[in-house]
Amino acid sequence: GAVVSQHPSWVICKSGTSVKIECRSLDFQATTMFWYRQFPKQSLMLMATSNEGSKATYEQGVEKDKFLINHASLTLSTLTVTSAHPEDSSFYICSARPSYADTQYFGPGTRLTVL
Amino acid sequence: QKEVEQNSGPLSVPEGAIASLNCTYSDRVSQSFFWYRQYSGKSPELIMSIYSNGDKEDGRFTAQLNKASQYVSLLIRDSQPSDSATYLCAVNEVEYGNKLVFGAGTILRVKS
Repeated sequence: GAVVSQHPSWVICKSGTSVKIECRSLDFQATTMFWYRQFPKQSLMLMATSNEGSKATYEQGVEKDKFLINHASLTLSTLTVTSAHPEDSSFYICSARPSYADTQYFGPGTRLTVL
Repeated sequence: QKEVEQNSGPLSVPEGAIASLNCTYSDRVSQSFFWYRQYSGKSPELIMSIYSNGDKEDGRFTAQLNKASQYVSLLIRDSQPSDSATYLCAVNEVEYGNKLVFGAGTILRVKS
C-alpha cells in the first residue's frame, strides 16, 4: 500500500518551454501533497505544499508564477515548470500524505534537464 | 524553521555489523519522527516511523526515540552492502504547517 507515482520519470526540454509533472497517489486519498527539488549531492528542498481544492503554499524563495501547482483531486497533483531554463534542471520529487496519517510517501521522482 | 541535525558521514561499517545512525532535533513539541532511505539517484523511501519514547523494531531495523533528549536513532543489524545509501531523518513540525523537516542525511557504506 501507499504507492505514489510520478510521470514522466525523466524529461528533456528546450529553454523557454513549459513542462508538466504529474503526481498520483495510487491506493489512498491524499489531502496534502508536497513538491520537493533536489540538486546533486544536496538535501531535499521543499518547494510547496498543496491541499486538494485550494491554492498551494510556496516556500520562501520559490516563484509561484514559475512553478504552477494544481491539486484538483484527492489523488492527483501537477507541477508545471513554466519558461524553463537550464538552472531549473533538477530532480523533482512529490510526496503524498494520506488523510488518515502524517506519514509522507514519496513518488519515484522526475529528472528534468533543460537544454 | 526548526532544525534537524545529522552527521553527514560517511559512516563505514563491515558487512554483518550494526550500523548506528543518529539524529537530533530542536523542536520540543514534535511528536512524529521518520527515517527514510535514499539510494543515489532515487527518491526517498520510508523505513520507519516512531511516535513514542523507546524502541520500535521492524526486521533488521530498530528506531529509538528519546523526546527528553530530543534524539532519535536508527540501528541496522546485520548490515548488508545493499544497505549502503543515504539515511534521512525527518521530523513532522506541527507548528510549521505539519511539514517534514529533513536532516541533511548520513551516508552509510557497508563494506563486504
